[in-house]
Amino acid sequence: DQQVKQNSPSLSVQEGRISILNCDYTNSMFDYFLWYKKYPAEGPTFLISISSIKDKNEDGRFTVFLNKSAKHLSLHIVPSQPGDSAVYFCAASPTGTASKLTFGTGTRLQVTL
Amino acid sequence: NAGVTQTPKFQVLKTGQSMTLQCAQDMNHNSMYWYRQDPGMGLRLIYYSASEGTTDKGEVPNGYNVSRLNKREFSLRLESAAPSQTSVYFCASSGGGAGANVLTFGAGSRLTVL
Repeated sequence: DQQVKQNSPSLSVQEGRISILNCDYTNSMFDYFLWYKKYPAEGPTFLISISSIKDKNEDGRFTVFLNKSAKHLSLHIVPSQPGDSAVYFCAASPTGTASKLTFGTGTRLQVTL
Repeated sequence: NAGVTQTPKFQVLKTGQSMTLQCAQDMNHNSMYWYRQDPGMGLRLIYYSASEGTTDKGEVPNGYNVSRLNKREFSLRLESAAPSQTSVYFCASSGGGAGANVLTFGAGSRLTVL
């Protein structure tokens, strides 16, 4: 049973446009959410996080939105750059329990010129 | 560079062979983890160690053993490799407090079992 779902395996966006990556979760115990970015032949790197007490968190070009009632979060990248081309993983857990971190299957973002 | 170091990066084994994946972190993190990544499956936790001297099973522990050698090092052992263990393995670590949920990953070890 996939508790964290990323239903779009891939996404292609033009440079300068907005990229929107989506993630849905089913476990009501999840209250901390993260996005990781992964380049080929490298490990995932932490990008941005949000706790359930907020509905938005921004860090430069990256914004994560959380809709608790819909159990949905999204990552917005504005403007998209070619260096953003990577696989993005959504992850969720109860706060402070990284051992219970559950990852989605990832969305491959390609930013074209 | 500070971070998580995994060895080897690549390994090919025959069914039934054994091997150990090594992991070390230099961030003074208490917790360390081993994940595997398979196509279409995301990252799944194999084992973790919340602190030196403790280890616990994750989602997919069968066929693996771990050792938390000291605070820095956490190894993953395959006693009798099977083709189903062909995967990319990632070691990770996390600190306490506000960073408790943020994992720092190594570059990965690609294992093929024939």
